[in-house]
Amino acid sequence: EPEVTQTPSHQVTQMGQEVILRCVPISNHLYFYWYRQILGQKVEFLVSFYNNEISEKSEIFDDQFSVERPDGSNFTLKIRSTKLEDSAMYFCANTPGMENYGYTFGSGTRLTVV
Amino acid sequence: SQQGEEDPQALSIQEGENATMNCSYKTSINNLQWYRQNSGRGLVHLILIRSNEREKHSGRLRVTLDTSKKSSSLLITASRAADTASYFCATDAERALTFGSGTRLQVQP
Repeated sequence: EPEVTQTPSHQVTQMGQEVILRCVPISNHLYFYWYRQILGQKVEFLVSFYNNEISEKSEIFDDQFSVERPDGSNFTLKIRSTKLEDSAMYFCANTPGMENYGYTFGSGTRLTVV
Repeated sequence: SQQGEEDPQALSIQEGENATMNCSYKTSINNLQWYRQNSGRGLVHLILIRSNEREKHSGRLRVTLDTSKKSSSLLITASRAADTASYFCATDAERALTFGSGTRLQVQP
């Protein structure tokens, strides 16, 4: 079964540092998403990405966040200056189309900001 | 309450029993989906029910959707210890999936 692969699985970073979380999506799945889950809380939508641009973003996705497909395959989430409250699991997800598709999620990156 | 709230928050049953989880939401939807999450792991898509469907089955899973009441239920029949996980409903409206807070299911062997 096709998989979404995320790296690293766990990252510890100093507050104020930049982090890049990486995702290898399923080929031919053209819709990309980032979600996050703070420990013990809901899974929250961050951003959706299609055709090399952001489709939608949530209130969480402020100027500290950015996404891109640097080489046409990988999909990255960058946090420019991490804060303690950015500590969470970050999940990449993929769908082949826009409506009525289940999402395929990666296994996540656990980000710990110290 | 927010979009996609599950009930109960936690459920403990014996192996072989059925488990029922409920989800309520607030806005119009295109579809409603159920996901499973093992502790500290990614989310696994279980089943999707469209807004014009009322019931759907997949193996031991049965999902119902009542758009007039804005609610859904997930039934897992003949539960197994391996079904122990958190289960989330997620509504697909205009933007992207919106998740509920989940039901933690514990199946005792």
